[in-house]
Amino acid sequence: GAVVSQHPSWVICKSGTSVKIECRSLDFQATTMFWYRQFPKQSLMLMATSNEGSKATYEQGVEKDKFLINHASLTLSTLTVTSAHPEDSSFYICSAVDTGGVAGELFFGEGSRLTVL
Amino acid sequence: SQKIEQNSEALNIQEGKTATLTCNYTNYSPAYLQWYRQDPGRGPVFLLLIRENEKEKRKERLKVTFDTTLKQSLFHITASQPADSATYLCALEDGANNLFFGTGTRLTVIP
Repeated sequence: GAVVSQHPSWVICKSGTSVKIECRSLDFQATTMFWYRQFPKQSLMLMATSNEGSKATYEQGVEKDKFLINHASLTLSTLTVTSAHPEDSSFYICSAVDTGGVAGELFFGEGSRLTVL
Repeated sequence: SQKIEQNSEALNIQEGKTATLTCNYTNYSPAYLQWYRQDPGRGPVFLLLIRENEKEKRKERLKVTFDTTLKQSLFHITASQPADSATYLCALEDGANNLFFGTGTRLTVIP
C-alpha cells in the first residue's frame, strides 16, 4: 500500500520555540492531507485539512496562526507549531488521500510526538 | 451533538475466540465507515472500509457490518491471535474525505 512518512518521529523543545513537522507521501501524489492530534488515551482529533496550492481549512477551535500548515507540493505538507507551550505536547499524525487509490482510503504517517518543556 | 462511541474502552478475549467491537454514532450521515488498527505510539493503519449501501464486508479474518438504521457498525475478528492485540478505531467519513474517529477499543487477546 501507499506509504506516508512523518518527520521527526519525536521532538522535545523549549516553551516558546517553534517546531516543524513534515508529512510526505512517498509513492503517490496527495492533493489533500489531513493533520490530527491525539492526546493520551483519546482518539484522533482532526485539526485541519491541507490542500496543495491553497490555504488549509482548520477545524473549529484550532488556531490557524498557531498551527501553520503549508502544502507546497503534491508530496509534502508541513505543520509548524509556533511558540509552543506545554499544553501543545501531543501526538501529531498526518494522513493523505491517494487519489489514484480506493475511494475514501486514507494512509497515515507514523506520527510525531511533541514534548514541550 | 455529533458523537461516535465504541462499546468499551477495553476488551479482553481468549485466543481463538471471536472478538466483536461495536461502533455507534449519532447525528452523522456517513458516506463510508472505516476501521483502523493503532498500535501504541504508531499511526493508525487502515483495515476495512464499508459504504453506506453495503451491509457487510470481509477481509481474511475480519468482518465488518454496517447498519445505517441502527447507526451502528460491528467489527469482528475471528480466530483471534495475541498479535491482534491493539486499539481499534472506527471512523466516519463525511463524503469529503474528512474522517471523524471514535475513542477506540483496546483489544487484548490472551494466549
